[in-house]
Amino acid sequence: DTEVTQTPKHLVMGMTNKKSLKCEQHMGHRAMYWYKQKAKKPPELMFVYSYEKLSINESVPSRFSPECPNSSLLNLHLHALQPEDSALYLCASSQAATASLSYEQYFGPGTRLTVT
Amino acid sequence: KQEVTQIPAALSVPEGENLVLNCSFTDSAIYNLQWFRQDPGKGLTSLLLIQSSQREQTSGRLNASLDKSSGRSTLYIAASQPGDSATYLCAASGSARQLTFGSGTQLTVLP
Repeated sequence: DTEVTQTPKHLVMGMTNKKSLKCEQHMGHRAMYWYKQKAKKPPELMFVYSYEKLSINESVPSRFSPECPNSSLLNLHLHALQPEDSALYLCASSQAATASLSYEQYFGPGTRLTVT
Repeated sequence: KQEVTQIPAALSVPEGENLVLNCSFTDSAIYNLQWFRQDPGKGLTSLLLIQSSQREQTSGRLNASLDKSSGRSTLYIAASQPGDSATYLCAASGSARQLTFGSGTQLTVLP
């Protein structure tokens, strides 16, 4: 099973709201990723978790707060977002994320976020 | 910094045609190169992964090649079908453990 699940599929939130995106995988992968994708653009990396620890933060604004409660679950907490944050948010996982090894990344279906 | 380019940006072909999508990258120090398919509004589906030590990978009607020295990869699709219509993205994995994506090729296969 190479499935990464994401909930919700769609989310509409106001600029003062607090919401969370959820991502789950049961492949035993130890690396998980958050990407942001604007329309007709490639995905842009936001965060990388390796063995449940944040290893890469691509200078993402603090209104995005990632959390990795366990090796199967990844959350993205959202607060005080701006309309320009509207995008498709993709989660991915891979077997590992070490510097000397590179593994295939598996993506979830994404959450379509609209900020009003 | 790695830069990945995909040409053409869009391609329209009649059903049954064989086609090649191109991907080029500026830093040859990659661990692997991955090809993805993305349908409109959907997530990415991994098609093929080529490790840096490999020259090509095949899966069904798809064949991907990698030439690190020239910084190029190609995705060959044989006997194209309307169901192959999608955006195809290539991504290079480098020492920063990150995938650098190209902007994609939007493929339309006409019945």
